[in-house]
Amino acid sequence: DVKVTQSSRYLVKRTGEKVFLECVQDMDHENMFWYRQDPGLGLRLIYFSYDVKMKEKGDIPEGYSVSREKKERFSLILESASTNQTSMYLCASSPRGTVQETQYFGPGTRLLVL
Amino acid sequence: AQSVTQPDIHITVSEGASLELRCNYSYGATPYLFWYVQSPGQGLQLLLKYFSGDTLVQGIKGFEAEFKRSQSSFNLRKPSVHWSDAAEYFCAVGPDSGTYKYIFGTGTRLKVLA
Repeated sequence: DVKVTQSSRYLVKRTGEKVFLECVQDMDHENMFWYRQDPGLGLRLIYFSYDVKMKEKGDIPEGYSVSREKKERFSLILESASTNQTSMYLCASSPRGTVQETQYFGPGTRLLVL
Repeated sequence: AQSVTQPDIHITVSEGASLELRCNYSYGATPYLFWYVQSPGQGLQLLLKYFSGDTLVQGIKGFEAEFKRSQSSFNLRKPSVHWSDAAEYFCAVGPDSGTYKYIFGTGTRLKVLA
């Protein structure tokens, strides 16, 4: 089974802190994604990566950056956390190939910024 | 622009009753359509997907969905709901041409009465 793990299920940070959210997948997938999930807004794409060191902005990249140094790991970075970044963050991965490939999701990290 | 609409934010059904969750999309080309389920505190799990062929698609957990091009709809159905089906359900379309961006609906939260 494909497994996508996220480093923390719950995280509490202070405004202005630098925050790292880590995501690891064990199926050698080329594509990895970071989404933000908020009530009433569904899932919104922050960034995705289609290969090591490659990244593209999603719909809401402002205030975030990403890093993909190894194929299995995709990190989301909040350079200076703000209260409006309190949210659920979901990581996903999918294999390259046909564009119809399923995305596999991690359990999510619920981040609270005080 | 591509979009996905899930008109029902909340739905409540009794255990054993039938279920239909609505999804409408706006997409320029032939859509790739997905339904995901998110149990409390969990990531998203794929229920089923449609790419081409038979417009009635069978998924896991006894769910099915029907693609109706004329109505731009991809509604999810289950003939008899179980208490364990209580969750949030997301419809998605994509990816955008030339990208890996999927568009998610805002979700429908299902409550099941014993």
